[in-house]
Amino acid sequence: DAGVTQSPTHLIKTRGQHVTLRCSPISGHKSVSWYQQVLGQGPQFIFQYYEKEERGRGNFPDRFSARQFPNYSSELNVNALLLGDSALYLCASSVSRGGYTFGSGTRLTVV
Amino acid sequence: SQQGEEDPQALSIQEGENATMNCSYKTSINNLQWYRQNSGRGLVHLILIRSNEREKHSGRLRVTLDTSKKSSSLLITASRAADTASYFCATDWYNNDMRFGAGTRLTVKP
Repeated sequence: DAGVTQSPTHLIKTRGQHVTLRCSPISGHKSVSWYQQVLGQGPQFIFQYYEKEERGRGNFPDRFSARQFPNYSSELNVNALLLGDSALYLCASSVSRGGYTFGSGTRLTVV
Repeated sequence: SQQGEEDPQALSIQEGENATMNCSYKTSINNLQWYRQNSGRGLVHLILIRSNEREKHSGRLRVTLDTSKKSSSLLITASRAADTASYFCATDWYNNDMRFGAGTRLTVKP
């Protein structure tokens, strides 16, 4: 079985642009969470979706949005990119709370 | 803000030695998890320990939880060079997220 897959693996964007990151959970996992990890820090929670509904939201500005599709895959969208948005974006899936499986992440660089 | 705080921030040991990392947290939890991360890539789930458990083992890993002190420890016995990674503790949070600490960077020298 494939693990959690994220695309793209690397991305370079210019300030002010918009970006869409994608995540496919493990088959059978209905919960998808997004995390931002700045270099040298632990992951910070952005969103959690379960059965296509938002279940939780971290302390991020409205420039960050996400959605989950009927096949449980998910997109994270970030508008009006800032230099500070440069980070590793991680997606995690789980059957239920606890024991998340993470993807390898998307490295976003904003220049 | 971080919920868990790992200690030490960095740890360097020789192959074959044991490595102990600690995690402290601030509020009541349902469970605590430990993850490993190699070279800034995805996190690998190691162990989940529930609030009513005091100790858990998985292979060379041993995790303890002291809810009265709001702390946990991860022990890696007989370490190997392949154990070199960053280790994070994560606690559940009220809005369905997990709160991670800043991690302990472990280096195991061959």
